[in-house]
Amino acid sequence: ETGVTQSPTHLIKTRGQQVTLRCSSQSGHNTVSWYQQALGQGPQFIFQYYREEENGRGNFPPRFSGLQFPNYSSELNVNALELDDSALYLCASSPSARGREGEQYFGPGTRLTVT
Amino acid sequence: SQQGEEDPQALSIQEGENATMNCSYKTSINNLQWYRQNSGRGLVHLILIRSNEREKHSGRLRVTLDTSKKSSSLLITASRAADTASYFCATVFVGANNLFFGTGTRLTVIP
Repeated sequence: ETGVTQSPTHLIKTRGQQVTLRCSSQSGHNTVSWYQQALGQGPQFIFQYYREEENGRGNFPPRFSGLQFPNYSSELNVNALELDDSALYLCASSPSARGREGEQYFGPGTRLTVT
Repeated sequence: SQQGEEDPQALSIQEGENATMNCSYKTSINNLQWYRQNSGRGLVHLILIRSNEREKHSGRLRVTLDTSKKSSSLLITASRAADTASYFCATVFVGANNLFFGTGTRLTVIP
């Protein structure tokens, strides 16, 4: 297992609500990336944080936002939830500057269901 | 889309046989990585191959990369029932900071 943890494990929300997902990166890692994985699909990049600054964003609307804290843990916030937001949300950390060069260490994910 | 595509989408083999999965991508890469995922949980990194490498081994895994064809393959030798999982290739494109994942291959190893 990696040292990346995510909370909660499972979450059920209603359309229109807001949700916050949390991720603690592996010790010594300063880069955190978030991915959305719909059922039966590969993960899709949402955004990346490097030393508390957003360092790249995928094709997701502004209602997906994030934060990285001084201890390099991170949050993913999703406003105005839609049914299509139902997915597994994965957090990954990496030790490399800007996360470009090496492998990423994934957490177990948060399963979000929007009803 | 910059995503890679894996082939086949699903593969079923007997224990002890070899499993080969292929990945194609569209744009120049810094590196290509293979990940494994059990039952829709977190991904586990298997192997990374850089754009200037052609072949890499790790235990029962062998990865090849052909940048002229923009393709890679993952070979798992002497498969075990515990190898049953989904396998994804992921690329780091030149100028990008993140992984672009393929659609995955679902491998079933029958005991």
